[in-house]
Amino acid sequence: DGGITQSPKYLFRKEGQNVTLSCEQNLNHDAMYWYRQDPGQGLRLIYYSQIVNDFQKGDIAEGYSVSREKKESFPLTVTSAQKNPTAFYLCASSIPNEGSSYNEQFFGPGTRLTVL
Amino acid sequence: GNSVTQMEGPVTLSEEAFLTINCTYTATGYPSLFWYVQYPGEGLQLLLKATKADDKGSNKGFEATYRKETTSFHLEKGSVQVSDSAVYFCALSETEAAGNKLTFGGGTRVLVKP
Repeated sequence: DGGITQSPKYLFRKEGQNVTLSCEQNLNHDAMYWYRQDPGQGLRLIYYSQIVNDFQKGDIAEGYSVSREKKESFPLTVTSAQKNPTAFYLCASSIPNEGSSYNEQFFGPGTRLTVL
Repeated sequence: GNSVTQMEGPVTLSEEAFLTINCTYTATGYPSLFWYVQYPGEGLQLLLKATKADDKGSNKGFEATYRKETTSFHLEKGSVQVSDSAVYFCALSETEAAGNKLTFGGGTRVLVKP
């Protein structure tokens, strides 16, 4: 079955450590996205990538880094510079449609990161 | 910039009641509009969509109509079930030039009691 996988589902980190969240998709989608969700709040965009070897900052990129070396993979690193990293992280992908604004995003199950 | 505003929750109602969640937006151009649903501890799932004015999206008994004149995309369901308890997000798409990003509302938590 095609889909998006995120691992691990739960992740614990000590303060001051970097941690990398995995996101893999086998949907052959060009674009991938990372969102952060805090309790009772909506989604905020961290980074996005429209094509391999290219990515752009979203609204809250400070303290995060990404890479896009392969079409199917878009890992997110939460660095020690991120002041408040405890949150639920969601990865998504989509296919941009030329000439159309229809661009549904497909989401993974999420990773809950807790900083101890 | 673009923005989405939806009613704050939680919305608590009894089984078989009528549900409405209001969503309004501001956008340049002609975005597509979406409703996503998030069940506890899970990612988001697309519930329904509409790509142009007057389109009606529908799925699983939920409906929403793209109203350009009022810049709204209200979600409705005539008879809710306990299994509809979730958080609902309204969203709009941005242009391909802007990365096809989605702009989300803050989410509305719905709790349906037996």
